[in-house]
Amino acid sequence: AQTVTQSQPEMSVQEAETVTLSCTYDTSESDYYLFWYKQPPSRQMILVIRQEAYKQQNATENRFSVNFQKAAKSFSLKISDSQLGDAAMYFCAYRSGAASGTYKYIFGTGTRLKVLA
Amino acid sequence: GAGVSQSPSNKVTEKGKDVELRCDPISGHTALYWYRQRLGQGLEFLIYFQGNSAPDKSGLPSDRFSAERTGESVSTLTIQRTQQEDSAVYLCASSRTRLETQYFGPGTRLLVL
Repeated sequence: AQTVTQSQPEMSVQEAETVTLSCTYDTSESDYYLFWYKQPPSRQMILVIRQEAYKQQNATENRFSVNFQKAAKSFSLKISDSQLGDAAMYFCAYRSGAASGTYKYIFGTGTRLKVLA
Repeated sequence: GAGVSQSPSNKVTEKGKDVELRCDPISGHTALYWYRQRLGQGLEFLIYFQGNSAPDKSGLPSDRFSAERTGESVSTLTIQRTQQEDSAVYLCASSRTRLETQYFGPGTRLLVL
């Protein structure tokens, strides 16, 4: 079975600085997808970034980028120029590829990010 | 609609009562998912719908939990004879197809007294 581990329950970053959130996963599959979701106090889960395992290039979305290390099964999220609005819970998630027949996400336990003014 | 909506936003009930939670997915999304999020925890998968059928119910924790979907649209998650351990946020997500990114609603916070 697949597992997702986020070992940092809480992180803090100074406004305008850069922070990296860690995520590791375990799988025997070769085809899968990885996601980072942000959950502010409103509870709304917002997709931050998505990575297909078959792509070697790391995904980027504006100030958000990932460091995807497939062999190490690591998928960290880097937030550059941190803003107060980035404060939230961040969840790493795994989804199997099409051949698996399963479509559910497997989530880590989350990292609470605090942004200090 | 513009996004996934869920109702009620919050629900307080007494132990032993039945509750119904509703999810309205994004229009045209064929896949719908229910997750449970206990306080301070990640999301646990409950059930997946493709159209009106549920090919994966593996996450439902007991036979007190059931869900249905009608018209390839709205879904209802029903919890019978609620227990205090059922207290959690129940999140619904939908995706255009089963292989595409899931978009989440704001959740229903359930408190069982």
